[in-house]
Amino acid sequence: EAGVAQSPRYKIIEKRQSVAFWCNPISGHATLYWYQQILGQGPKLLIQFQNNGVVDDSQLPKDRFSAERLKGVDSTLKIQPAKLEDSAVYLCASSSRQGAHEQYFGPGTRLTVT
Amino acid sequence: AQSVTQPDIHITVSEGASLELRCNYSYGATPYLFWYVQSPGQGLQLLLKYFSGDTLVQGIKGFEAEFKRSQSSFNLRKPSVHWSDAAEYFCAVGASLLNRDDKIIFGKGTRLHILP
Repeated sequence: EAGVAQSPRYKIIEKRQSVAFWCNPISGHATLYWYQQILGQGPKLLIQFQNNGVVDDSQLPKDRFSAERLKGVDSTLKIQPAKLEDSAVYLCASSSRQGAHEQYFGPGTRLTVT
Repeated sequence: AQSVTQPDIHITVSEGASLELRCNYSYGATPYLFWYVQSPGQGLQLLLKYFSGDTLVQGIKGFEAEFKRSQSSFNLRKPSVHWSDAAEYFCAVGASLLNRDDKIIFGKGTRLHILP
């Protein structure tokens, strides 16, 4: 069974530029999560999808971050414009069920904003 | 709302020694508890989980954890560590298996260093 795929693995941009991350969850997993992990901290949930609908985006900075999962499979997270404090690892995870069930994580995208 | 605390930012143990990583949670009812491991440059991998039943949970890679309700703890243990265990370990807590709005909250992590 293929795991959660993410690309790119690394990205360096200047502040005020835009960037997009892509995630393909495990086949059949209806629930998809995007997390932000700042160095030295645990993952913080940005947005949760159930199929192509948003379940929770309460911690997503909506003035600059957006995410979509149009066909209920893969997902894109975008930042526009980026700030220095957006430097972090962006993790995608998927789960076969909603609620506090185990999640399967991709390798992450390390973003550096200069 | 639930929360989780990992009191130790760094832990160093010698290879072959025993290990215990601490985790304390805050939640009014029985929580759902997880330990994840993150190797450098990798995503998180589930080590073990507690949902109900036996309070001593066995996981992968020889790890185990014990749920102690009276202490609000879910400490991770391993009797003999290997150099490959060097990684960051995250404790996490969730409140409900059924509530679609429920999320898993992660601790800040404990980085494990292994001395040869």
